[in-house]
Order: sequence, then C-alpha cells, then structure tokens
Amino acid sequence: DVKVTQSSRYLVKRTGEKVFLECVQDMDHENMFWYRQDPGLGLRLIYFSYDVKMKEKGDIPEGYSVSREKKERFSLILESASTNQTSMYLCASSLRTTGNTIYFGEGSWLTVV
Amino acid sequence: QKEVEQDPGPLSVPEGAIVSLNCTYSNSAFQYFMWYRQYSRKGPELLMYTYSSGNKEDGRFTAQVDKSSKYISLFIRDSQPSDSATYLCAMVRDYKLSFGAGTTVTVRA
Repeated sequence: DVKVTQSSRYLVKRTGEKVFLECVQDMDHENMFWYRQDPGLGLRLIYFSYDVKMKEKGDIPEGYSVSREKKERFSLILESASTNQTSMYLCASSLRTTGNTIYFGEGSWLTVV
Repeated sequence: QKEVEQDPGPLSVPEGAIVSLNCTYSNSAFQYFMWYRQYSRKGPELLMYTYSSGNKEDGRFTAQVDKSSKYISLFIRDSQPSDSATYLCAMVRDYKLSFGAGTTVTVRA
C-alpha cells in the first residue's frame, strides 16, 4: 500500500519562528511536492522536487524553502512564520514519468499566532 | 483568470440521487485529468484518472472529458452518505497538478 507520511498533523507556532514540516514516502518516487490548501483557493503548489537536491519553485514559493537530501524525504521550511502562512500543508509524491498517479499525505495543519 | 475553475458549491442531494460535478480549464496543454475525493481533515485520494476525451466508468463513478470545450465532469450514481466529501478536479502538465477549488458535497440520508 502506498504511503506518504507527514509526521506533524497539527502544529501551533509563534510569528517569527522557524518551522519544519517533514514528509516521507515509501514508494521510491522521484517527484515530491508541497502544496498548501486554503478555503476557496484550492491547492496551490509551493515547491516541487524531481530528484535528490533538485527543486523548482511552484506558484507561491515566497516565504518558503525546501530541502531534499534523501530520495524519500522532502522538507518544507518556513524561515520566519507569519500569520498568513496559517494553512493546511499537503505533501505528495509520484513517479517521474508524466501522468503517473500523484499520492498525497494526510496533511499538516499549521496555525501561526 | 484561474487555469482551472470549479464551482465550490456546496451541493446537497438526497441519498440515491446522481451527483454531477464540473470543471473548466483554460490551458490546452493539460495532458491528464483527475478527480480527487477529500474527507474533512484528510489528504486527497485519487478517484478517477483519464487522459482522453470521452467517458470512463469505475463502479458508481463516471469521469467525462471534453477537450474541445475544455470541460470535465464527474458523475456519482446512487449516491450514499459516505460520498459526502469535497471533490477536487486536477489537471496535469509536466508532472505538476493544477487544482480546482473543490466542490463540497453532502448526501442526505
């Protein structure tokens, strides 16, 4: 069974804190993604990685960075959290070949106060 | 203009009714079309996946794609209360998905 695991489901952080969201997949997928989901806006791509140490900006990368040191792990970093980054964050993964199924984790709910 | 437009609803139907969900898109470069179901506070799970115009059936679910009109639909027959969820259309271009905003569906027992 496919598995994308987001280790932190619910977090509350203070403005200005550095926040790490971790994601691990066990399917040997090349591609990994970070999305945020907000009511009325749907899912928006923050960053995308197609290989270890490789990354591409998505539609809304400002205020975020990512790290992919191992194939199975993709981390999202908020260098200095702000209240407008309160959201649900979704990690996903897929095989490199175009058109393969994209699998999602359960999501991480981040509240910045 | 968003690349993918989806009516957010909400949509409320009685048990047994047909649920009809739609999305339009503006970018003809999209290659694959998907529907995801998302229960409250859960990640999206893939329901249907297609890449060509026409219909694709899977049990009570039918996905329809019309590339000439840039329009996709999902039909749920004999709807059940367990179908109550948010349904997201998604389109793939170069490994990346673009999503609709999602339609919240409630099936009343």
